[in-house]
Amino acid sequence: NAGVTQTPKFRILKIGQSMTLQCAQDMNHNYMYWYRQDPGMGLKLIYYSVGAGITDKGEVPNGYNVSRSTTEDFPLRLELAAPSQTSVYFCASSYSVRSSYNEQFFGPGTRLTVL
Amino acid sequence: GENVEQHPSTLSVQEGDSAVIKCTYSDSASNYFPWYKQELGKRPQLIIDIRSNVGEKKDQRIAVTLNKTAKHFSLHITETQPEDSAVYFCAAVTDKLIFGTGTRLQVFP
Repeated sequence: NAGVTQTPKFRILKIGQSMTLQCAQDMNHNYMYWYRQDPGMGLKLIYYSVGAGITDKGEVPNGYNVSRSTTEDFPLRLELAAPSQTSVYFCASSYSVRSSYNEQFFGPGTRLTVL
Repeated sequence: GENVEQHPSTLSVQEGDSAVIKCTYSDSASNYFPWYKQELGKRPQLIIDIRSNVGEKKDQRIAVTLNKTAKHFSLHITETQPEDSAVYFCAAVTDKLIFGTGTRLQVFP
């Protein structure tokens, strides 16, 4: 199993540009999440999904969009990038939340800089 | 929504000493409390977790305690080693996982 994979690893954007951060998991997990981690700070939940076709906002959703057309993929879209979106983005997945199988597995992260 | 507070933000200990990190949560419906370790430049990794029907759990040098009445849970690391140096995050889960702000632990040889 590859686990949770993210692409790209690094990206530099200009203000106003758009991009999509890719996330995929091969563990047949129902739940997927996007977090951002600013330097020296904790992880903030951006969006999450409990299954294909279902997404919901987390703590800091403004400036982002997500979709979940398949169980495996959960891309994060940035429209009109701003310097405040400079951060490390982590994708994660879990089988469930309320069962015994709710450990979250994290991807390696995408380091995004907006200049 | 859920809010998780974590203290201290930094913690320095001598090798061999114990380290304790404390968290409080606000949502009484939270039922799962994982702890993650994040080394510099790497992804968070689960080190131990506890469910709301358990008061204490141990795994070698690491233990976690939960006080549901007070909405407190704590991470205890005994016989600390330099490789324990990292940032530790607590979290609380209802329908989603909310992280604490992290504790930077430094273990000096």
